[in-house]
Amino acid sequence: AQTVTQSQPEMSVQEAETVTLSCTYDTSESDYYLFWYKQPPSRQMILVIRQEAYKQQNATENRFSVNFQKAAKSFSLKISDSQLGDAAMYFCAYRSLGGAGGTSYGKLTFGQGTILTVHP
Amino acid sequence: DGGITQSPKYLFRKEGQNVTLSCEQNLNHDAMYWYRQDPGQGLRLIYYSQIVNDFQKGDIAEGYSVSREKKESFPLTVTSAQKNPTAFYLCASSPRRTGMHEQYFGPGTRLTVT
Repeated sequence: AQTVTQSQPEMSVQEAETVTLSCTYDTSESDYYLFWYKQPPSRQMILVIRQEAYKQQNATENRFSVNFQKAAKSFSLKISDSQLGDAAMYFCAYRSLGGAGGTSYGKLTFGQGTILTVHP
Repeated sequence: DGGITQSPKYLFRKEGQNVTLSCEQNLNHDAMYWYRQDPGQGLRLIYYSQIVNDFQKGDIAEGYSVSREKKESFPLTVTSAQKNPTAFYLCASSPRRTGMHEQYFGPGTRLTVT
C-alpha cells in the first residue's frame, strides 16, 4: 500500500515571499500521479498542480511549482510571491494507475496536510 | 454550470439512526468517490465507483454503504454500525473510468452524530 507523508503540520510565510511545502511518499510502482490540493477555510478541495511520474520535467502553474524527485520519492510544492489568498491547508496526494481489477485503481492517498499561514 | 453538489451542508443525527448523504454531479464523469476527513487529518477513502451499478470498498468502508444506480448520483449511507460517524464527508468524481485524471470535489457535508 502506498503512504504519503507531510512532515510539516504548519508553515508560515510573509506576503510576497516564497515558501516550500514538503511531501514524501512510499510506493513500489513506477507509474503514478502526484497532486497538490488546497483546502481553504470553506473546505472546498481545489486542485493546485499535478505531476505525472513518467515526466522528468517539474510541473508549473503560475506561482506554483513542484520539485519532483522520483528516486527520492519526494514531491515538494513551492509557492512564489505568496498571497493572502494562499492561506489554506495543503494536501499532497498520490494516485495509482493500478492494474486490471486492482483495488487501488484510481484512488487517491492523501498526506496529513500542512496548514499554511500567510502574514501581511 | 457543471459541478458536484452535496447536500445538506450540515447534518445532525441521533446515535443509532442511519443517515444518507447526497452527491450529484453533472460533469458526465464515470468515476465517483466518497472520502472522510477528520480534524487534523487527510482524507480517507470510504467507497468508490468506476461505473454505474458497480462500486468497491475503500480503506474504511465498515459501517458505510453506497449505491450507484445512475451515473450522476452516488449516495452514501452512514449506518448505525459506524462507530465514529461524526466527520466531514467529501464526494469527488473523475472523468474517466481509467482514472487518468485528477478528481474534482464537492463542497462537503459536515455530519454530527450525538
